[in-house]
Amino acid sequence: SQTIHQWPATLVQPVGSPLSLECTVEGTSNPNLYWYRQAAGRGLQLLFYSVGIGQISSEVPQNLSASRPQDRQFILSSKKLLLSDSSFYLCAWSSPDSPSYEQYFGPGTRLTVT
Amino acid sequence: DAKTTQPPSMDCAEGRAANLPCNHSTISGNEYVYWYRQIHSQGPQYIIHGLKNNETNEMASLIITEDRKSSTLILPHATLRDTAVYYCIVRAIYNFNKFYFGSGTKLNVKP
Repeated sequence: SQTIHQWPATLVQPVGSPLSLECTVEGTSNPNLYWYRQAAGRGLQLLFYSVGIGQISSEVPQNLSASRPQDRQFILSSKKLLLSDSSFYLCAWSSPDSPSYEQYFGPGTRLTVT
Repeated sequence: DAKTTQPPSMDCAEGRAANLPCNHSTISGNEYVYWYRQIHSQGPQYIIHGLKNNETNEMASLIITEDRKSSTLILPHATLRDTAVYYCIVRAIYNFNKFYFGSGTKLNVKP
């Protein structure tokens, strides 16, 4: 069966510091990968998606970037965090072989920028 | 993708069926209906999806009206662990990379 991992689970970082969040998927090949952000009490906002190694599409302009160095690894980064980057970050995957492309989410990383 | 409308909150007694409505009156023929739920501080959990026909799995049933303009998610025997925010999402088949989550319905299951 497929499993998706995210780490760390929680993170507290000062303003201006760099960020690296990692997501890995097990049990599937060539998944579509996604990064979302969720502000407190709000719905999810799609940040980036990737259909293959090195292929990244950005949904909204922001202080963040994403990379996919390996087939089942997706990284969310920032060079300098802002207070507004505090949020709940979620990684998800979907199978390109599924006609309905349902997405499966990881446990999330709660980021607090101080 | 079609817009969805859900009530902000609902209550349900433990052991009873929970029926969560979703309106998607502008849905087109190539758009799926998906349901997810999110328990506090966790990632969303996929529940079920459908295109035209009603669907059932081990978690829930999805009833889609004949004109496809609305749907209902049914949890047959709600438990306290079903307390969560439930999201109804409509997405075109060709728009495979884009899920748009709205505010959802907060389901409160009470003893």
